[in-house]
Amino acid sequence: DQQVKQNSPSLSVQEGRISILNCDYTNSMFDYFLWYKKYPAEGPTFLISISSIKDKNEDGRFTVFLNKSAKHLSLHIVPSQPGDSAVYFCAASAYSGGSNYKLTFGKGTLLTVNP
Amino acid sequence: DTGVSQDPRHKITKRGQNVTFRCDPISEHNRLYWYRQTLGQGPEFLTYFQNEAQLEKSRLLSDRFSAERPKGSFSTLEIQRTEQGDSAMYLCASSLVGGAETQYFGPGTRLLVL
Repeated sequence: DQQVKQNSPSLSVQEGRISILNCDYTNSMFDYFLWYKKYPAEGPTFLISISSIKDKNEDGRFTVFLNKSAKHLSLHIVPSQPGDSAVYFCAASAYSGGSNYKLTFGKGTLLTVNP
Repeated sequence: DTGVSQDPRHKITKRGQNVTFRCDPISEHNRLYWYRQTLGQGPEFLTYFQNEAQLEKSRLLSDRFSAERPKGSFSTLEIQRTEQGDSAMYLCASSLVGGAETQYFGPGTRLLVL
């Protein structure tokens, strides 16, 4: 059972436009969410996170939105740049024993930003 | 700033052989995680350590797999009697314990079992 779902395997956008990557989750115990970017043959690189007490977190060109009632989050990249082309993973964790630790990942979305 | 490092980056082995991977976490991080990623999937949790104690193991971690973190610093993941289904990217991550943790990943070890 896929607890974190990224239903779009790929997304293509023009340079300078907005990229919106979506993620849905089913486990209501998840309360901390992260986005990672991954280039081929490299490990995932942390981008941005959000706690369930917030509905928005912004860091430069990256903004994550969380809709708890819909169990949905999205990553907005504005403006998109060719160097943003990578696979983006959504990950979630549940608070347990004093911290959030074990991450559950989606299958990823391949973002291609065209010059 | 030294990130998470993993060695080797690539390993090709024959079915039935044993392999061992090493992970060096970010120096001040007390938690260390192992994940496995197969083609078209996201990383899947295998196990984690807090200092030298192994606190949780996934059911994905069969008895052919063993992980250690003897001095609470680097960790090793050993796979005995490798099978073709073990072919995957093995990722290590580390974090500081407490609250909403952010895990930082190493570059991974890609294993191919022939």
